[in-house]
Amino acid sequence: DAGVTQSPTHLIKTRGQQVTLRCSPKSGHDTVSWYQQALGQGPQFIFQYYEEEERQRGNFPDRFSGHQFPNYSSELNVNALLLGDSALYLCASSPMFGTQYFGPGTRLTVL
Amino acid sequence: AQSVTQLDSHVSVSEGTPVLLRCNYSSSYSPSLFWYVQHPNKGLQLLLKYTSAATLVKGINGFEAEFKKSETSFHLTKPSAHMSDAAEYFCVVSVSGGYQKVTFGTGTKLQVIP
Repeated sequence: DAGVTQSPTHLIKTRGQQVTLRCSPKSGHDTVSWYQQALGQGPQFIFQYYEEEERQRGNFPDRFSGHQFPNYSSELNVNALLLGDSALYLCASSPMFGTQYFGPGTRLTVL
Repeated sequence: AQSVTQLDSHVSVSEGTPVLLRCNYSSSYSPSLFWYVQHPNKGLQLLLKYTSAATLVKGINGFEAEFKKSETSFHLTKPSAHMSDAAEYFCVVSVSGGYQKVTFGTGTKLQVIP
């Protein structure tokens, strides 16, 4: 079992650009959640996808959007990047209402 | 509403001595509780989980936690710290109703002194 995978591992962008991060869930999991973890802080919930729909959302602006594909993989898109978007972005997969398993994360640096 | 409080932001222990990381929670519903560990620049690894079965939960790497409903606590312990235990630990509460709500604590950084 490959576990949760994320790509890319690292990314450097400039302010105003757009970025897409990708996540493949653990085998058998149909729910994907995204978190932002700023340096020295705990993960903050962005949103959760199930059956290709956004089921719930944390306190993040509309610049953050996502998508889930029929194979349960997911993308996180961030538009109009700000310096404050620099963080580790974590993807977690689970069965619906089940235990979340996390990927290694994507480190995004905005210059 | 639910919340998680990790009572110590930093804990320092000597190698070979016991570890205690404290977590209190509040929840309007019966929660599931988790501990995750994060090594520097890594993702989160599940240490153990409580989901309304046995109140004493054993996890990986010798860690265990006890769910105490009367005290609304879920403290993480290990009898003997190892250098490789140095990391950040997160206590997490999850409640499932019409949807799943997951709340993270602010984390406890564990330092192990040789």
